[in-house]
Amino acid sequence: QKEVEQNSGPLSVPEGAIASLNCTYSDRGSQSFFWYRQYSGKSPELIMFIYSNGDKEDGRFTAQLNKASQYVSLLIRDSQPSDSATYLCAVVGTNAGKSTFGDGTTLTVKP
Amino acid sequence: GAVVSQHPSWVICKSGTSVKIECRSLDFQATTMFWYRQFPKQSLMLMATSNEGSKATYEQGVEKDKFLINHASLTLSTLTVTSAHPEDSSFYICSSYRLGGGGDTQYFGPGTRLTVL
Repeated sequence: QKEVEQNSGPLSVPEGAIASLNCTYSDRGSQSFFWYRQYSGKSPELIMFIYSNGDKEDGRFTAQLNKASQYVSLLIRDSQPSDSATYLCAVVGTNAGKSTFGDGTTLTVKP
Repeated sequence: GAVVSQHPSWVICKSGTSVKIECRSLDFQATTMFWYRQFPKQSLMLMATSNEGSKATYEQGVEKDKFLINHASLTLSTLTVTSAHPEDSSFYICSSYRLGGGGDTQYFGPGTRLTVL
């Protein structure tokens, strides 16, 4: 079992729809959770981080964390073609500072 | 977000030569920086943790004598790929690690694309 698993994708949604990206992790002691967006050929850029159970909203993005289920998700509302990218879930476990990344989910938003 | 720079952004070299990549944390002093490698259509693979003033900690399977890391100051870490070979061609990305009031965050540099001929 991988330490961080994401939907294999690719995920395709129409413009204006909600895109839902999911991630599960194995280290129950994990404390910090991050979503990064990576465009092809570019470095990852941080979209959101979440530390506490529940929802965290930032503009069109909502991160959801459920530590009991070891599950974190990212919702993108009103998806735009510019949201088309690979989304990486990263988890900082009990080894402070070191992030473990999922393989990423590629999202395509069709106009 | 914080700014991290990398230099060069891309490099092409001959097999057997050494290549140095610089990573600078421009907004804050980073006692810890990370080096990743990413092959096409794959996720980030952590190579090593760079600690200011001490030896880097390498991940299993990463040759420390081949990938030399120096973190001489709180804003600069360097990765030297020694005796590079075509299989070392990859996208190398560094990040600076920041402990903030709300928790810890990594900020990534723009990456360096290495091509070894």
